[in-house]
Amino acid sequence: KQEVTQIPAALSVPEGENLVLNCSFTDSAIYNLQWFRQDPGKGLTSLLLIQSSQREQTSGRLNASLDKSSGRSTLYIAASQPGDSATYLCAVPLSGSRLTFGEGTQLTVNP
Amino acid sequence: DTGVSQDPRHKITKRGQNVTFRCDPISEHNRLYWYRQTLGQGPEFLTYFQNEAQLEKSRLLSDRFSAERPKGSFSTLEIQRTEQGDSAMYLCASLRGGGYEQYFGPGTRLTVT
Repeated sequence: KQEVTQIPAALSVPEGENLVLNCSFTDSAIYNLQWFRQDPGKGLTSLLLIQSSQREQTSGRLNASLDKSSGRSTLYIAASQPGDSATYLCAVPLSGSRLTFGEGTQLTVNP
Repeated sequence: DTGVSQDPRHKITKRGQNVTFRCDPISEHNRLYWYRQTLGQGPEFLTYFQNEAQLEKSRLLSDRFSAERPKGSFSTLEIQRTEQGDSAMYLCASLRGGGYEQYFGPGTRLTVT
């Protein structure tokens, strides 16, 4: 059974700081991993999808890495801004592409 | 793409009542997924459709829950005889055939009093 864990559960940083969010999964036989952002009371916004053949994927100030062999992915956020405050979720697909999610990291960026 | 839409956005109901939610996927996305999310947790898979066929259901989907996707377009999720434990955010997502990235709707927040 695939289990996804995210550490830390919550993170508070001052504006401008670079930060790393961690995601680990127990079954390394994945074909991709997706990072999402969720604002309070809202749906999920896809940030990055990284294929198993890739090691990194970048979008603006965001960079996601994937190490299948160790069962880990990281989301790096550069020069954090208060608008980055949200919950960040990682997810891996199982059969039929249904997603298994971690519990998320709640990020607060203080001005 | 107009995005995935869900209706209603919020629903408050009394225990024992039936509720129905609707999801409109991105047009031409043949897969549609339902997830449930409780406070402080990640979403959990409930069921999914490929076109009009319901291919998989989670054990979370008790017999009080039923989902349909007539004609392979929009989908409905009905909960009968609601219980307080059904209070959650119900999320819908769609996926293009051959694609990898799921796109989520804004969710329906259900509160059972």
